[in-house]
Amino acid sequence: DTGVSQNPRHKITKRGQNVTFRCDPISEHNRLYWYRQTLGQGPEFLTYFQNEAQLEKSRLLSDRFSAERPKGSFSTLEIQRTEQGDSAMYLCASSPQGLSGELFFGEGSRLTVL
Amino acid sequence: QQQVKQSPQSLIVQKGGISIINCAYENTAFDYFPWYQQFPGKGPALLIAIRPDVSEKKEGRFTISFNKSAKQFSLHIMDSQPGDSATYFCAASMTFNKFYFGSGTKLNVKP
Repeated sequence: DTGVSQNPRHKITKRGQNVTFRCDPISEHNRLYWYRQTLGQGPEFLTYFQNEAQLEKSRLLSDRFSAERPKGSFSTLEIQRTEQGDSAMYLCASSPQGLSGELFFGEGSRLTVL
Repeated sequence: QQQVKQSPQSLIVQKGGISIINCAYENTAFDYFPWYQQFPGKGPALLIAIRPDVSEKKEGRFTISFNKSAKQFSLHIMDSQPGDSATYFCAASMTFNKFYFGSGTKLNVKP
């Protein structure tokens, strides 16, 4: 399978714990995006990388959220001191540089904060 | 402020009918308008997209109509099939740096 891979697919945690999600994009895709999706809503932009550089981060994101993309390959999204409001589906997408704007999404990592 | 507004929230269409979903945007700097289809438990997948320099784009049963002056665009699904039952999202982007998604339309095509 050469699509976007996300792990873990499901994570249940207690409030106050830290969680980390991993995204493996399609190889040679230099753009990588993180989105958050809550039930009945569209994906909400979190952050965006071009290669290893984090070019933009949503102002809605608190400093409890951090993302990295070392060496421009896989990416991690860490949420510190989780809150119940963080419960959502976290989607990763990758895109090749060029004229195509197509985002290739993974199946997401669902977070439940108890 | 919601950058892209989508309606209706849900839609029921008979098999063979036409499904129409509408979106409106505010930022005239947007230069790319895709539609994504999402099935339960899956990530969204690109269905069709349009640039603002054309008023219509058709791919099979799917057509985007674009009205630049009104800052609106819509998705038309002709001959709707039960397999089209999914949630549809419109989106807008400036140079692919950030994509703003609508709130989604849940389409149910009745057999």
